[in-house]
Amino acid sequence: KNQVEQSPQSLIILEGKNCTLQCNYTVSPFSNLRWYKQDTGRGPVSLTIMTFSENTKSNGRYTATLDADTKQSSLHITASQLSDSASYICVVSAVYSGGGADGLTFGKGTHLIIQP
Amino acid sequence: DSGVTQTPKHLITATGQRVTLRCSPRSGDLSVYWYQQSLDQGLQFLIQYYNGEERAKGNILERFSAQQFPDLHSELNLSSLELGDSALYFCASSEFRSYTGELFFGEGSRLTVL
Repeated sequence: KNQVEQSPQSLIILEGKNCTLQCNYTVSPFSNLRWYKQDTGRGPVSLTIMTFSENTKSNGRYTATLDADTKQSSLHITASQLSDSASYICVVSAVYSGGGADGLTFGKGTHLIIQP
Repeated sequence: DSGVTQTPKHLITATGQRVTLRCSPRSGDLSVYWYQQSLDQGLQFLIQYYNGEERAKGNILERFSAQQFPDLHSELNLSSLELGDSALYFCASSEFRSYTGELFFGEGSRLTVL
């Protein structure tokens, strides 16, 4: 069964500090991995999307890494700001095979709180 | 702004009632997805339409139904509502039929069933 596990479930850090969020997946065959930021009560917003051949991808202060061999990804946030407080969701896509199954597997997210 | 529009933003109704949630995808996107997010839960996939036809179905209850119209907007119908149906319902759109492309989410419709 395809699964995406994220850790930690929640994290509190001080403003200006760095942090790293983890994502482990068992989705197969792998197509791509996405990180989304979801502010409370708002829709998820895409941060990065990585395919099998990409190891690192950055979007401003957000840097995602992917190790397709170990099926792990991380999202590193540098010099955190109060506006980074949100849930961060890892989503893994399987290779499209047609049929009726959903090809996206969502993690439950890491709830990040930045304290002043 | 993702370009995906959902209405209404908030909806309060009673058990046993029926509601309709509406979604307008980004211009040019042919796929529309519906997701349910209950309190402190992850996003649960309900259903996907591509260019007017149902493409994939997730854990959507029989009391729920959806459709995509020729102008590509979509509606999610929830009937015989129960307290447990209270949740945020998100619509997302993408250009492609498969999951290779970017997925853009709307701001959601918050449904409260009393």
